[in-house]
Amino acid sequence: KAGVTQTPRYLIKTRGQQVTLSCSPISGHRSVSWYQQTPGQGLQFLFEYFSETQRNKGNFPGRFSGRQFSNSRSEMNVSTLELGDSALYLCASSLQTNNEQFFGPGTRLTVL
Amino acid sequence: KQEVTQIPAALSVPEGENLVLNCSFTDSAIYNLQWFRQDPGKGLTSLLLIQSSQREQTSGRLNASLDKSSGRSTLYIAASQPGDSATYLCAAETSGSRLTFGEGTQLTVNP
Repeated sequence: KAGVTQTPRYLIKTRGQQVTLSCSPISGHRSVSWYQQTPGQGLQFLFEYFSETQRNKGNFPGRFSGRQFSNSRSEMNVSTLELGDSALYLCASSLQTNNEQFFGPGTRLTVL
Repeated sequence: KQEVTQIPAALSVPEGENLVLNCSFTDSAIYNLQWFRQDPGKGLTSLLLIQSSQREQTSGRLNASLDKSSGRSTLYIAASQPGDSATYLCAAETSGSRLTFGEGTQLTVNP
């Protein structure tokens, strides 16, 4: 069974630009969550989608948004990039809420 | 607000040693607790999941325990190997698949 995949693996952007990251969950998994990992703040929850609905949201500004498609694939968008958005963005999937979560390899975003 | 703390922040041991990693959380109203390992620059690999109704889980040389009432979990690694070197993270799930992570324990197993 294929694991969680994320594309692209690496991105370099400049301040003010926007970026879209993609996540394909494990087949059959309906819940997709996104996390940001930085050396200073550690791993922080961004949001969670289940059956195309955002069910939970972390404490991030509105520049961070996401969506989920009918095939459970999810995208995350960050608009008006700031230097502080440089991070490893991780996606996780699970069958449903309160199940084991499986993480993808992440997308390394660098904002210059 | 859930807070998760891991002790120690770093640990260096000789190969073959048994070791214990500690995790504490402030809000006992959790659905489950999950342990992960992360290799440098990589994603997270799930090691063990303990549901809130369970006391422990075992997988190979790994054993994790959960005491909700005291807000603690431990990960026991038996007969450590150099390949076990990584950062170990614990995460408490509170609501809607939301995981709150500790800062991790960086483990080095020396040959």
